[in-house]
Amino acid sequence: GAVVSQHPSRVICKSGTSVKIECRSLDFQATTMFWYRQFPKQSLMLMATSNEGSKATYEQGVEKDKFLINHASLTLSTLTVTSAHPEDSSFYICSARGEGGVRTQYFGPGTRLTVL
Amino acid sequence: RKEVEQDPGPFNVPEGATVAFNCTYSNSASQSFFWYRQDCRKEPKLLMSVYSSGNEDGRFTAQLNRASQYISLLIRDSKLSDSATYLCVVNPAGTALIFGKGTTLSVSS
Repeated sequence: GAVVSQHPSRVICKSGTSVKIECRSLDFQATTMFWYRQFPKQSLMLMATSNEGSKATYEQGVEKDKFLINHASLTLSTLTVTSAHPEDSSFYICSARGEGGVRTQYFGPGTRLTVL
Repeated sequence: RKEVEQDPGPFNVPEGATVAFNCTYSNSASQSFFWYRQDCRKEPKLLMSVYSSGNEDGRFTAQLNRASQYISLLIRDSKLSDSATYLCVVNPAGTALIFGKGTTLSVSS
């Protein structure tokens, strides 16, 4: 099946630093990419939806100035957590959707962020 | 009311048991429905789509009742490898997938 990669898989950083997470669709063009966040024992919560070449659409309660999303190409989207704080520690998962719609949507392996 | 609600469990069953999970969703305009499986500290993976006519994939059977906005998953002859969290997922009108909190299954020998 299609593959979506994320990098890094794990990151530990100090409070106040910024962290960039990359999401790549390896063998298909992703017209839409989604960023989710999952806290322990909680469901995946959608943070934002991004379409290549346009601004991301953020879900209510997600600060767009704190979570910067760039979807520069059909195979790459990045999420930058700016001035990270301990409460931002979470499992961040991207998902890429191809032209076939929801049935061609694949998840990356996730990035575990720990902010000290 | 949450968009997708599931009994979190955990469901602790012996090998060979049959177990059923239920899920309700609030958005009557939802168009697509899925069950995903998530292993600990891993990304979710599609298990199967869910249709009103019901669908079966080996030991797994999924059912959708649009009138009552209810989705089910039945696992027969449980295996140790079935231990995971099962996520009920809906897709309202082609937008992003909306996930339930998941139901945890633990199969023991």
